[in-house]
Amino acid sequence: GQQLNQSPQSMFIQEGEDVSMNCTSSSIFNTWLWYKQDPGEGPVLLIALYKAGELTSNGRLTAQFGITRKDSFLNISASIPSDVGIYFCAGQLSVFSRLTFGEGTQLTVNP
Amino acid sequence: DGGITQSPKYLFRKEGQNVTLSCEQNLNHDAMYWYRQDPGQGLRLIYYSQIVNDFQKGDIAEGYSVSREKKESFPLTVTSAQKNPTAFYLCASSIWGSRDGYTFGSGTRLTVV
Repeated sequence: GQQLNQSPQSMFIQEGEDVSMNCTSSSIFNTWLWYKQDPGEGPVLLIALYKAGELTSNGRLTAQFGITRKDSFLNISASIPSDVGIYFCAGQLSVFSRLTFGEGTQLTVNP
Repeated sequence: DGGITQSPKYLFRKEGQNVTLSCEQNLNHDAMYWYRQDPGQGLRLIYYSQIVNDFQKGDIAEGYSVSREKKESFPLTVTSAQKNPTAFYLCASSIWGSRDGYTFGSGTRLTVV
């Protein structure tokens, strides 16, 4: 089946730094999604991407749908302590496909 | 406000007992899902349901059972056959046939002693 490789697995950064993470797939997706999971809570949708090459922002977050449709990127600018959590990417091939999730990137922000 | 509710937040059970985790949504979503998350791990799909009275096994269905008698509800039973049931369980829902992703509940942490 389809697999998503998400990297890095974990990141330890200082407050104010920028963060980049990415997901790559062996096959194409037609929708890419990025979620954030706060400790002890369920994931919450941050950004949805629907078109190859699309660049979408949500506050300090910016995500891109790779032109090959096999990857996606998430950037966080000027990190703050509340950015701590696990970030998941998810891909969907068609509207009737289930989501395939990456393994997550654990982000720690030191004040 | 519409949402998806999991209860209880924390659950303790003795080994060998079956336990049922509740998941209710008022989003009018067709599809519902159950995931398991272990510490430092990603999300693993247990069961999903696209429509009332129908459900399919996910990647790790052994030792679990579900029912979907109502659109709003998708309870998960962790049976005594599940070898390592202690985990964080997440329920999610979605509009079947959409590109808008899943809405997740806040999870139930099950500890079996």
